[in-house]
Amino acid sequence: KQEVTQIPAALSVPEGENLVLNCSFTDSAIYNLQWFRQDPGKGLTSLLLIQSSQREQTSGRLNASLDKSSGRSTLYIAASQPGDSATYLCAVLDSNYQLIWGAGTKLIIKP
Amino acid sequence: GAVVSQHPSRVICKSGTSVKIECRSLDFQATTMFWYRQFPKQSLMLMATSNEGSKATYEQGVEKDKFLINHASLTLSTLTVTSAHPEDSSFYICSARWAAEAFFGQGTRLTVV
Repeated sequence: KQEVTQIPAALSVPEGENLVLNCSFTDSAIYNLQWFRQDPGKGLTSLLLIQSSQREQTSGRLNASLDKSSGRSTLYIAASQPGDSATYLCAVLDSNYQLIWGAGTKLIIKP
Repeated sequence: GAVVSQHPSRVICKSGTSVKIECRSLDFQATTMFWYRQFPKQSLMLMATSNEGSKATYEQGVEKDKFLINHASLTLSTLTVTSAHPEDSSFYICSARWAAEAFFGQGTRLTVV
């Protein structure tokens, strides 16, 4: 059974710092992995999608990597800003075509 | 990316009444949509998979008579919370996939008083 874990559960850093959020999964048989952002009381915004054959994807200050063999993905945020404060969720699309979710990392960027 | 629109964003209803939530894929067709429920400070819980033109598939523990799902067209799925009770108060989010990428609606905050 696929399980997704996100570490840390919460993170608070000063503005301007680079940071890394971690996501691990137990079964490497995935179609893709997605990183999402959720603001309080809002829906989810898709940030990056990495196909199982890809190693990384970049969008602006965000870079997501995928190491399928070790069951790990990281989301790197460069030059963090207070507007980056949100909960970040990762999800894998497993071999049954089901989205399996991590519990999220709550990120606070202090001005 | 593709856009999924959910309406309403907030609704307050009296206990015993029913509430309908709409989920639309605006620029693509979705034969399958997904309905999630999210409790405070928790991740998303899949409630059911909505299939266009056929019955929805409910996850274990989700009452299908309580949460009625209709997927009458390729761009619209609705979730009706019937005979709502305060314990049904929650955040409900719908999702649809396009090219294996998941896109989400804005969510609906339901409060049953």
